[in-house]
Amino acid sequence: QSALTQPASVSGSPGQSITISCTGSSSDVVGYNFISWYQQHPGKAPKVMIYEVSNRPSGVSNRFSGSKSGNTASLTISGLQAEDEADYYCSSYTGSTTVVFGGGTKLTVL
Amino acid sequence: QVQLQESGPGLVKPSDTLSLTCGVSGYSISSSNWWGWIRQPPGKGLEWIGYIYYSGSIHFNPSLKSRLTMSMDTSKNQFSLKLSSVTAVDTAVYYCARSNAAGTWFDPWGQGTLVTVSS
Repeated sequence: QSALTQPASVSGSPGQSITISCTGSSSDVVGYNFISWYQQHPGKAPKVMIYEVSNRPSGVSNRFSGSKSGNTASLTISGLQAEDEADYYCSSYTGSTTVVFGGGTKLTVL
Repeated sequence: QVQLQESGPGLVKPSDTLSLTCGVSGYSISSSNWWGWIRQPPGKGLEWIGYIYYSGSIHFNPSLKSRLTMSMDTSKNQFSLKLSSVTAVDTAVYYCARSNAAGTWFDPWGQGTLVTVSS
């Protein structure tokens, strides 16, 4: 199974919006609405921010939103805050009853 | 509040077997969830290792399948991972995590434990 493709880094200023893309294939992103997004601060465990493409777990800010179009899923963070600076990983369930992660994107808040 | 905690040796010799246990508190592992393992080599991204269902069903990452064993101990409310014939490339932070009933996302995660493969 191949990792999903994410940009290595993105950046934005406080208050702005940014979008992180996650590109896959017919066996994962295209075929299933089981995309999730995780935030990881340095030295910490990942935390789920979005599941099943666009659902937010309880307690996650509504500044985080997810979507999918074709073979690309996206995470958008609006009203960027300093605390959003972290690594972000997408993940997809696959047709082989497995899970695949993206390579990760480092978000820098300028 | 559900909490997961990994435990096991922090140093494993090449060709030996890596063994980790994930203790779960605040939730029964006999509930309808998948219980998974994910690892992260230093400075790199996440890699799904596999997961085990409360019924005993298991799914593994195909790239690791030949070296993996997973099990559950419901009496201790914990589940375990064994990875055989380890090499330096298996050096990573290993996380355990609860997945939903469909096995499609993970929450919560344990804090992670660094396992170094070195002689």
